[in-house]
Amino acid sequence: ELKVEQNPLFLSMQEGKNYTIYCNYSTTSDRLYWYRQDPGKSLESLFVLLSNGAVKQEGRLMASLDTKARLSTLHITAAVHDLSATYFCAVDINFDTDKLIFGTGTRLQVFP
Amino acid sequence: DAGITQSPRHKVTETGTPVTLRCHQTENHRYMYWYRQDPGHGLRLIHYSYGVKDTDKGEVSDGYSVSRSKTEDFLLTLESATSSQTSVYFCAISANSGNYGYTFGSGTRLTVV
Repeated sequence: ELKVEQNPLFLSMQEGKNYTIYCNYSTTSDRLYWYRQDPGKSLESLFVLLSNGAVKQEGRLMASLDTKARLSTLHITAAVHDLSATYFCAVDINFDTDKLIFGTGTRLQVFP
Repeated sequence: DAGITQSPRHKVTETGTPVTLRCHQTENHRYMYWYRQDPGHGLRLIHYSYGVKDTDKGEVSDGYSVSRSKTEDFLLTLESATSSQTSVYFCAISANSGNYGYTFGSGTRLTVV
């Protein structure tokens, strides 16, 4: 069964701290996406990772992809309250149809 | 100036009634998707379309049907709504270039009572 697992599911962290969210998947894929969702809102694209070793950074967030380990990480540096949201990884399982399988999400709460 | 819109945004319906959700895009993308979002499950694919009149099932398609008669519109129908179909439904579009992933609609919150 195809699985995309994220951990932790919930993360409460203090402002200024660093942390990493992990996304493990069970099938071969070279395309992985990260999305952010604010409460009651839609999903917003954060990162597109298209090859083994890909690394993308935007502000305090950095995403990486290791296709051999079937693992992607989303690293948070010096967290701020504005990063509070739910983060989803999604794996492209069919490049012809662009079908994405989503992880269950990581709810991040940053407190002062 | 959203390239993808969903309607309605909210709906309450009774068990056993048919319900149709609409997704409209102005991007001329070939690929369109319907997902449902439930706590603890992330987003799960219901149906998707890879062109006009070309659709296929996703992982949770039972109780749902779709139609795409025009590039810009993708309709999701619950033939006979059940309480287990209470959820938030998201439509997404993709150019399938691999470079951008999906663009999501704003979602439809459906409650079946």
